[in-house]
Amino acid sequence: QVQLVESGGGVVQPGRSLRLSCAASGFMFSSYGMHWVRQAPGKGLEWVALIWYDGSRNYYADSVKGRFTISRDNSKSTLYLQMNSLRAEDTAVYYCARARAPYSSTEHGSDPWGQGSLVTVSS
Amino acid sequence: IQLTQSPSSLSASVGDRVTITCRASQGISSYFAWYQQKPGKAPKLLIYAASTLQSGVPSRFSGSGSGTDFTLTISSLQPEDFATYYCQQLSSYPITFGQGTRLEIK
Repeated sequence: QVQLVESGGGVVQPGRSLRLSCAASGFMFSSYGMHWVRQAPGKGLEWVALIWYDGSRNYYADSVKGRFTISRDNSKSTLYLQMNSLRAEDTAVYYCARARAPYSSTEHGSDPWGQGSLVTVSS
Repeated sequence: IQLTQSPSSLSASVGDRVTITCRASQGISSYFAWYQQKPGKAPKLLIYAASTLQSGVPSRFSGSGSGTDFTLTISSLQPEDFATYYCQQLSSYPITFGQGTRLEIK
């Protein structure tokens, strides 16, 4: 079955870096765009970034642009989120999610989602 | 593009018909989705392309709308439907979500 498993979360000090991974299985990873979405404790969903199926295009939320980098390794079926210059307001559960439709059709929502990885930015 | 959901919270009973509205700050295409999230769980896609039911989602869920106004309707609430619902626009970047509507049992 289709599965997404995030890892790499934890507690990190402000200003430091962290890299999240999302291991995909059960589908042709190289055919799908992938998103990162986060949710601060007790708050709503915030879209973070999108990468096209072939890595040719990336898009970011204004709140993370210049600090976070989304990337993928299609040979390993793995999505990454490199997070630099972390701030307290980056504290959240980070979800990876697959675009619902393959290739460049990233406009039709995200399904499925991983279980999430908690990142806590605190001194 | 900002998305404003209403109401922010809603109390209803099993069997009720419920409608949640999402208004966009500017006109958007039909690249619009609705999600359901239960406590401690990842969101689940319910509706995409504004009105297309995702595979496996019960037919009591429906979506409609265009331009700036979109709605999610649950025709007859079931106990498992009490959750938080989010709208999302994928028409332009950055992609944005509404603030959520918490649906509670009356």
